[in-house]
Amino acid sequence: QQQVKQSPQSLIVQKGGISIINCAYENTAFDYFPWYQQFPGKGPALLIAIRPDVSEKKEGRFTISFNKSAKQFSLHIMDSQPGDSATYFCAARGYNKLIFGAGTRLAVHP
Amino acid sequence: EAEVAQSPRYKITEKSQAVAFWCDPISGHATLYWYRQILGQGPELLVQFQDESVVDDSQLPKDRFSAERLKGVDSTLKIQPAELGDSAMYLCASSREVDQPQHFGDGTRLSIL
Repeated sequence: QQQVKQSPQSLIVQKGGISIINCAYENTAFDYFPWYQQFPGKGPALLIAIRPDVSEKKEGRFTISFNKSAKQFSLHIMDSQPGDSATYFCAARGYNKLIFGAGTRLAVHP
Repeated sequence: EAEVAQSPRYKITEKSQAVAFWCDPISGHATLYWYRQILGQGPELLVQFQDESVVDDSQLPKDRFSAERLKGVDSTLKIQPAELGDSAMYLCASSREVDQPQHFGDGTRLSIL
């Protein structure tokens, strides 16, 4: 019930394409859903986040779509660039504790 | 932009030795977290502090791990004795309050030989 399931495990996208990463959760007590970006040898950096009373949030090329009834949320990266190549983690907060997905390794090819 | 500072960046030690990690959170952040990240996985919370008090250490292997934040600012995580399975990245994060976004440091990469 505390798990956050993330897919796909890895993703290859051509430059300019759309990258889509999906996450699903079970616990309806989760109240905050951030996405983190992690480059090799670095800590995760907060990218964008959403609360369950909003269905979509957009910041630049990054958009979170949130489906409360399906208990799913996804990250869309528009116009993907080689510099976006990194590992992306979704997370969900419940009882003031963040539960992370297993991560998606994104490679954007020029 | 203020950052979470961690040291050392890398640590290589032998099994059964003691090892310690240090974290200095962003100034003014009351909540501090220690996570363990195994290669290819997401971070998992080990311990959470609110000021100098532990509020969640349910996932901390207390027979060998200890954590402290004596003055409510910087924090130390210790492992004694280290085991082969402890090899991982140890990440520190902080947030202004418990319901605010968490900001991570760049971690300590621990390798146990």
